[in-house]
Amino acid sequence: DAKTTQPNSMESNEEEPVHLPCNHSTISGTDYIHWYRQLPSQGPEYVIHGLTSNVNNRMASLAIAEDRKSSTLILHRATLRDAAVYYCILRDGGTYKYIFGTGTRLKVLA
Amino acid sequence: NAGVTQTPKFQVLKTGQSMTLQCAQDMNHEYMSWYRQDPGMGLRLIHYSVGAGITDQGEVPNGYNVSRSTTEDFPLRLLSAAPSQTSVYFCASSKRKSTGSYTGELFFGEGSRLTVL
Repeated sequence: DAKTTQPNSMESNEEEPVHLPCNHSTISGTDYIHWYRQLPSQGPEYVIHGLTSNVNNRMASLAIAEDRKSSTLILHRATLRDAAVYYCILRDGGTYKYIFGTGTRLKVLA
Repeated sequence: NAGVTQTPKFQVLKTGQSMTLQCAQDMNHEYMSWYRQDPGMGLRLIHYSVGAGITDQGEVPNGYNVSRSTTEDFPLRLLSAAPSQTSVYFCASSKRKSTGSYTGELFFGEGSRLTVL
């Protein structure tokens, strides 16, 4: 199973954009890139996912490098409620296994 | 609008006891899975299922059994509990599209906190 690498923690000021990086150098052609976040004492919640093209939704944007070996989750305006652990996950398109890494803990400063 | 329901929310076991963590979803999702999350750690996949009668192992399957007799239910059985199985357990489900691929969105339950003494 391909793995992801993320920084352990990041900080951002409220109302500013946040770019959360993820490296996945061993990604295969059928692996989808997913992002989830986990608020304290809650289960993870879906943020966004993509395969090759950049994706936007109401929560965030996902920028995928042309070689697909890295991606970036973009929160356009961080709020205090965005403080969470963000997980970058590769989903095997063949087996449908979602393998979580250790994630990035995002701290948002007021 | 229940979504994914896990029971019990809290459980204390003694070493060697067995128990079943229940997971039920009312969204008609084909895909279901179990994760464990140890303190300060990410989630690790235990077992998963792509439909009734079909299960497969994840990253850390030892000490756990699963079965999928219905689309709605995916129970996780601890055969002989050990202190190393103290963790928070999450059940998650996802829907398959008519094309056969999955939507990509996992829906998680609220978790079951298990302590093994």
